[in-house]
Amino acid sequence: GENVEQHPSTLSVQEGDSAVIKCTYSDSASNYFPWYKQELGKRPQLIIDIRSNVGEKKDQRIAVTLNKTAKHFSLHITETQPEDSAVYFCAASDQTGANNLFFGTGTRLTVIP
Amino acid sequence: GAVVSQHPSRVICKSGTSVKIECRSLDFQATTMFWYRQFPKQSLMLMATSNEGSKATYEQGVEKDKFLINHASLTLSTLTVTSAHPEDSSFYICSARSQFAEKLFFGSGTQLSVL
Repeated sequence: GENVEQHPSTLSVQEGDSAVIKCTYSDSASNYFPWYKQELGKRPQLIIDIRSNVGEKKDQRIAVTLNKTAKHFSLHITETQPEDSAVYFCAASDQTGANNLFFGTGTRLTVIP
Repeated sequence: GAVVSQHPSRVICKSGTSVKIECRSLDFQATTMFWYRQFPKQSLMLMATSNEGSKATYEQGVEKDKFLINHASLTLSTLTVTSAHPEDSSFYICSARSQFAEKLFFGSGTQLSVL
């Protein structure tokens, strides 16, 4: 099955700086890569996603890049704000028909005011 | 976006009892629902995939007799933790997907504490 690795596990940035989180995946057949933000004790919220026919996608302060050849994708948050503090999970879709999502191990982002 | 409702949000029970968790898609038909388990400060681990009207597919290492999953309708899936023990204490989250979209929408999670 799919194996998704995520780095770093923790990340602290000053407010206004950028944050970058990186993930790699193992299954070359995966073609859907969402990113989720999860606050403590709450449900993961989809913040952005990308399909494998696209190299980059941007939504305001959030962008995701995908390198299909290298099998890695990254989340970029610019002009970080304290409310961006949360755990972020990347995921990859295993193309077995059920479209299971395999999650990375998570990155705890702390934005320091 | 689509709404997935999960109940209860928190359960405290005695060891040996069974606990049922419900996951409902409120504004779409969920042909597939997924159940995850999440330990503190860890990632979501897929437990099983359920498709409406058929038996759930369990991930390796997940006991199907322990974690009973029923997906009786296109809007409801249930997870029953049978004969719960303290090691079953965890945060359980469901997610749902419609047949028309690949995006998953998550329930709000259930914190299970077994005494």
